[in-house]
Amino acid sequence: NAGVMQNPRHLVRRRGQEARLRCSPMKGHSHVYWYRQLPEEGLKFMVYLQKENIIDESGMPKERFSAEFPKEGPSILRIQQVVRGDSAAYFCASSPRDRLVAKNIQYFGAGTRLSVL
Amino acid sequence: AQSVTQPDIHITVSEGASLELRCNYSYGATPYLFWYVQSPGQGLQLLLKYFSGDTLVQGIKGFEAEFKRSQSSFNLRKPSVHWSDAAEYFCAVGALIQGAQKLVFGQGTRLTINP
Repeated sequence: NAGVMQNPRHLVRRRGQEARLRCSPMKGHSHVYWYRQLPEEGLKFMVYLQKENIIDESGMPKERFSAEFPKEGPSILRIQQVVRGDSAAYFCASSPRDRLVAKNIQYFGAGTRLSVL
Repeated sequence: AQSVTQPDIHITVSEGASLELRCNYSYGATPYLFWYVQSPGQGLQLLLKYFSGDTLVQGIKGFEAEFKRSQSSFNLRKPSVHWSDAAEYFCAVGALIQGAQKLVFGQGTRLTINP
């Protein structure tokens, strides 16, 4: 049973380019979460999605950032017109859908490290 | 709003020594609490969790944590550390959102092991 898969592991972009980060959840998981880790900081929640729905995007910057989790395929975090301040590690997590909230443990991928030149 | 504080940014212990990493949280209801470990360049691995019941919880790799409601704490302990325990440790509280949890993390504690 493969874990949460993120790609690419490392992504280099120049200022103004677009970054696309992909996340395939664990098999059987229908909830996806994106977190951002800035250097020397803890992880900060960005967005929570279920298939074809954004449930909570309270941690997403208002501009340039978007996320989707289509019916088929991986979840995508998209950053338009990247700036140096977007350089960070972006982690995806997934959890199952269980009526018992306590069972909805989040499992993390290895992350995508974005560097903006 | 929920928050987590890990007072120690960096801790160094000798191999074989005991370890305690501190975590204090702020949350209005009964918290769901977690400890994750992150090795360099890797993702986060769940060490242990607390939801309810026994306030002393056992995790993987010989770790345990104790929930103390009166102190709003959830400190992580290990009786004897191994060199492979060197990593970054994150405490988190789960905030409920529509049947799932949004994790609020502390800033992490980096653990260094002296041989």
